[in-house]
Amino acid sequence: GNSVTQMEGPVTLSEEAFLTINCTYTATGYPSLFWYVQYPGEGLQLLLKATKADDKGSNKGFEATYRKETTSFHLEKGSVQVSDSAVYFCALSDRGRDDKIIFGKGTRLHILP
Amino acid sequence: NAGVTQTPKFRVLKTGQSMTLLCAQDMNHEYMYWYRQDPGMGLRLIHYSVGEGTTAKGEVPDGYNVSRLKKQNFLLGLESAAPSQTSVYFCASSYSSGVGNQPQHFGDGTRLSIL
Repeated sequence: GNSVTQMEGPVTLSEEAFLTINCTYTATGYPSLFWYVQYPGEGLQLLLKATKADDKGSNKGFEATYRKETTSFHLEKGSVQVSDSAVYFCALSDRGRDDKIIFGKGTRLHILP
Repeated sequence: NAGVTQTPKFRVLKTGQSMTLLCAQDMNHEYMYWYRQDPGMGLRLIHYSVGEGTTAKGEVPDGYNVSRLKKQNFLLGLESAAPSQTSVYFCASSYSSGVGNQPQHFGDGTRLSIL
């Protein structure tokens, strides 16, 4: 079945460091891909998305490119801030299956000042 | 902007008690979902609904029931709570795209403890 695998955390970085959180997926067909972020005590919120191969999603300085050849959707940011500390979830949407989304297990990110 | 509202935010139950979690959305979304979030497990889908009057089972439906009597509301019921149901519960909603490219909008969660 379809699945999402993302790097385990926690990931700890210093402010202004470069961030990469790896995400790979297994899917039949052509899923849409998402990154969600969860701040402490809150629900998930969409960070960015890509709906077809080679699309790049971007938001708040974060970017991810839909790579069909490597089945990956890695999240990157050039210079992280303390306020980026959160849990990040990679996810894919099953087209035609009631729009259900399959989530990875999440990666906790700590940014040190 | 209310978005997706969950009530209550916190609840403590004793084993065997019943309760209902309420989810309300004001975005006129067709689809609604209930998840549970446990440490190291990510989000797991409990039940979902693709429209008023319809419900379907997700990945972990046992011990839960749902109802969608009105388009804007999606209720999650625990008939006889068990300690294994201690978790944080999230409701989400989305437009129906037919091609799976619509994101889900989440509430802030309900933290439920079963003693």
